[in-house]
Amino acid sequence: DQQVKQNSPSLSVQEGRISILNCDYTNSMFDYFLWYKKYPAEGPTFLISISSIKDKNEDGRFTVFLNKSAKHLSLHIVPSQPGDSAVYFCAATRYSGAGSYQLTFGKGTKLSVIP
Amino acid sequence: DAGVIQSPRHEVTEMGQEVTLRCKPISGHNSLFWYRQTMMRGLELLIYFNNNVPIDDSGMPEDRFSAKMPNASFSTLKIQPSEPRDSAVYFCASSWGEDQPQHFGDGTRLSIL
Repeated sequence: DQQVKQNSPSLSVQEGRISILNCDYTNSMFDYFLWYKKYPAEGPTFLISISSIKDKNEDGRFTVFLNKSAKHLSLHIVPSQPGDSAVYFCAATRYSGAGSYQLTFGKGTKLSVIP
Repeated sequence: DAGVIQSPRHEVTEMGQEVTLRCKPISGHNSLFWYRQTMMRGLELLIYFNNNVPIDDSGMPEDRFSAKMPNASFSTLKIQPSEPRDSAVYFCASSWGEDQPQHFGDGTRLSIL
């Protein structure tokens, strides 16, 4: 049973426009959410995160929005650049204390930014 | 700055052989994670260590898999005996706290024939 879902396997956007990547989760215990970017033959790279006590976090061209009631988060990239073309993974964590830590990933969305 | 270093980058071996994957975390990081990526299941956490101690190995698929962290700068993931269904990309990641963003290595692409 997938606890973190990225329902769009791919997305194409024109350079300069907004890219919106979506992620849904089912586990209400998740309290911290992250986005990673991955280029081919490389490991995922941390992009941006958000705690469950916030509903928005912004870092330059990247903004993550969290809607706890809908168990939904999204990553906005504005403006999109060709170098943003990569696979984007949504991830969620649940810190349960006693040293227990889990990072659950979605299956990723491949973003293609067209020049 | 050196990132997380994994070796080998690629491994091709025959079914039944022992496979050892290696990871050097970022200096100063005290948490280390092993992940496996497959088409079917995506990225899955196998095990993680905090201060060299295994904390959660519930993701390890079966007894054929074992992981060690003898010191703060080195970890291994071993599969013995290997099977074709173990073919995947294995990632190691480290962080300076259990709840801090993890930094990933470039992975080991494992093919079991």
